[in-house]
Amino acid sequence: KNEVEQSPQNLTAQEGEFITINCSYSVGISALHWLQQHPGGGIVSLFMLSSGKKKHGRLIATINIQEKHSSLHITASHPRDSAVYICAAHGNQFYFGTGTSLTVIP
Amino acid sequence: KAGVTQTPRYLIKTRGQQVTLSCSPISGHRSVSWYQQTPGQGLQFLFEYFSETQRNKGNFPGRFSGRQFSNSRSEMNVSTLELGDSALYLCASREEDPGSYNSPLHFGNGTRLTVT
Repeated sequence: KNEVEQSPQNLTAQEGEFITINCSYSVGISALHWLQQHPGGGIVSLFMLSSGKKKHGRLIATINIQEKHSSLHITASHPRDSAVYICAAHGNQFYFGTGTSLTVIP
Repeated sequence: KAGVTQTPRYLIKTRGQQVTLSCSPISGHRSVSWYQQTPGQGLQFLFEYFSETQRNKGNFPGRFSGRQFSNSRSEMNVSTLELGDSALYLCASREEDPGSYNSPLHFGNGTRLTVT
C-alpha cells in the first residue's frame, strides 16, 4: 500500500507550457513537502505546506487538507526546470511519492 | 552557513561487513533524518533524531541503526550488509522553531554505498 501517490510519473513539456504535478496521500500529516532532484544532483526543498497555497517565482504549491491532495504548478516552464519532483507527506514519519520526471524541451 | 555535509561520498563494501555513515547538519539545526534512495523503491525514510533522541523510525530492519551526538552530528550504521543495501543514503537537517514541528528539509549530497 502506498501512502503517497504521485502523478504523472513522466512528463514532457514544451518550453513555456503550464505544468501540474499531483500528489495524494492517505495518512494524517503535519506538513506536505515538495522536493526537486536534478540528475546526479542533490535534493532541494521547494515548498513545505500545511494549508493553503505558496508561491515562489514561477512555482506554486497548493494543498487541500480535507481531500488529502496537493499540486505543484510550474508556470512558463523552462528547460532548467527539467528534474524529478517528489512529494513527501510528513506524518509520524516521512512518506514519499515515487517522483515525477519532468523534461522541458526548448 | 555551510550546508549539510555527508561523509564519505562513496563507499564499497562486501556482503556481511558493516558500515558507518556520517552527517553534519547545518549549524543550529537539531533535527537530523536519514533516507535510503534506490531506483526500485525511490526515497524511503529510515529514522529521525532530535536532540540525541530517536523521534521516528521507518520500516527498516534492526540492522539499520543510528545515533546523534550532542553537537547534532549524526551517524548511521548498517550491520551485516546485504546486496540490496546498495543505495544512495541521504541525510537531511531541519531547524525547528520553538512550538513548531514543521520546517523545510535541507539535504546533504548523500553517500553512495555499493555492496558487492
